[in-house]
Amino acid sequence: EVQLVESGGDLVQPGGSLRLSCAASGFTFSSYWMHWVRQAPGKGLVWVSGVDSDGSGTYYADSVKGRFTISRDNAKNTLYLQMNSLRAEDTAVYYCVKDLRGWGAFDIWGQGTMVTVSS
Amino acid sequence: EIVLTQSPGTLSLSPGERATLSCRASQSVSNSHLAWYQQKPGQAPRLLIYGASSRATGIPDRFSGSGSGTDFTLTISRLEPEDFAVYYCQQHGYSSYTFGQGTNLEIK
Repeated sequence: EVQLVESGGDLVQPGGSLRLSCAASGFTFSSYWMHWVRQAPGKGLVWVSGVDSDGSGTYYADSVKGRFTISRDNAKNTLYLQMNSLRAEDTAVYYCVKDLRGWGAFDIWGQGTMVTVSS
Repeated sequence: EIVLTQSPGTLSLSPGERATLSCRASQSVSNSHLAWYQQKPGQAPRLLIYGASSRATGIPDRFSGSGSGTDFTLTISRLEPEDFAVYYCQQHGYSSYTFGQGTNLEIK
């Protein structure tokens, strides 16, 4: 079964840091781009960051550029999101998603992990 | 950045009716890299349509997508009770991805 399981979400103070992880199984992780998409409470979906299959290329939304770092460990089938200088507006459910190769769409989603930035 | 505008914001229909959801892009979407997702409360989104008109694995054929350039449509031919949800369109271009604001399909 193809599966993505996120972890690491927590309550953190403004200016703090957090690292999210996403464990992948059921597919050849190293062959696919991976992404993080977030959803603030009661709001829509927002793409946050993406990484190519070998980790050499990383891409970010302007709202997180310079603060967040996406990475992957293909030996461990795991995707990461290091989040620094967190702000209240970063509060959201963060989804790990698999790229549908060649189509720019997201075909597999994790269940999400909640990040709350508040004092 | 390409902005996607979905209409209507809320669509009230009855089971068995036909639903037509619109997604308009501020610029042409490259290679028809336009996708549609369904999201139910408390759940992760599910991919319905990719490449503007291709159904994802396991998606019933009552869901269809059409369009190109800047105007795209998701059609649900006969609404089933489980189809009432929020629907998002999404595009990919120039290593950036954007979503529309969503259409809430509710039971009338």
